[in-house]
Amino acid sequence: QSVLTQPPSASGTPGQRVTISCSGSRSNIGTNSVNWYQHLPGAAPKLLIYNNNVRPSGVPDRFSGSKSGTSASLAISGLQSADEADYYCAAWDGSLNGYVFGTGTKVTVL
Amino acid sequence: HVQLQESGPGLVKPSETLSLTCSVSGYSISDGYYWGWIRQPPGKGLEWIGSIYFDGSPYYNPSLKSRVTVSIDTSKNHFSLRLSSVAAADTAVYYCARGSYDINAFDIWGQGTMVTVSS
Repeated sequence: QSVLTQPPSASGTPGQRVTISCSGSRSNIGTNSVNWYQHLPGAAPKLLIYNNNVRPSGVPDRFSGSKSGTSASLAISGLQSADEADYYCAAWDGSLNGYVFGTGTKVTVL
Repeated sequence: HVQLQESGPGLVKPSETLSLTCSVSGYSISDGYYWGWIRQPPGKGLEWIGSIYFDGSPYYNPSLKSRVTVSIDTSKNHFSLRLSSVAAADTAVYYCARGSYDINAFDIWGQGTMVTVSS
């Protein structure tokens, strides 16, 4: 069972803003930086956000991340059909001494 | 242009050992990154299996630790995964990935390989 909890699904119409939450604990999000990955069907996961809110080169600024205490969020603004994917938060957990992924959120564009 | 490619048997019998290799091209595996394995069972989320650091020290998912070995072969520029005593629950797409110390994240991933555990 994952120690990072995400809502199973989120949806919006094109152009809308969607927010995905990621709830953890002091040993993971509370102490370490959060990463977000986008997983399109049939493709390799892609790093979307690192160090809580930094976008790798090439990631549109429609994607933004934030962290507060033991929770983090990913926001997608100007939602596009190409954004339909599964999104995972992740962080190092000092108690488990391992890297943990969130439960994943499926984003649907209506 | 860094690329990672998984290879290995697509079918493994229960109780046997799953062995996969990740070949790295466009980058020397000994040059300052760490290397990891992640899997995704059908219909489920991503699960970190383990990572190996440039000094050879491994870190494993506690739930798999007794069965997992991750090793690195700098002469062949690849790293490997061995998972022993497999069962149906180990059926998954297995990904290899490069980890960056600077950002503490997996920044480049392989395309993944499906491994089915079945007799």
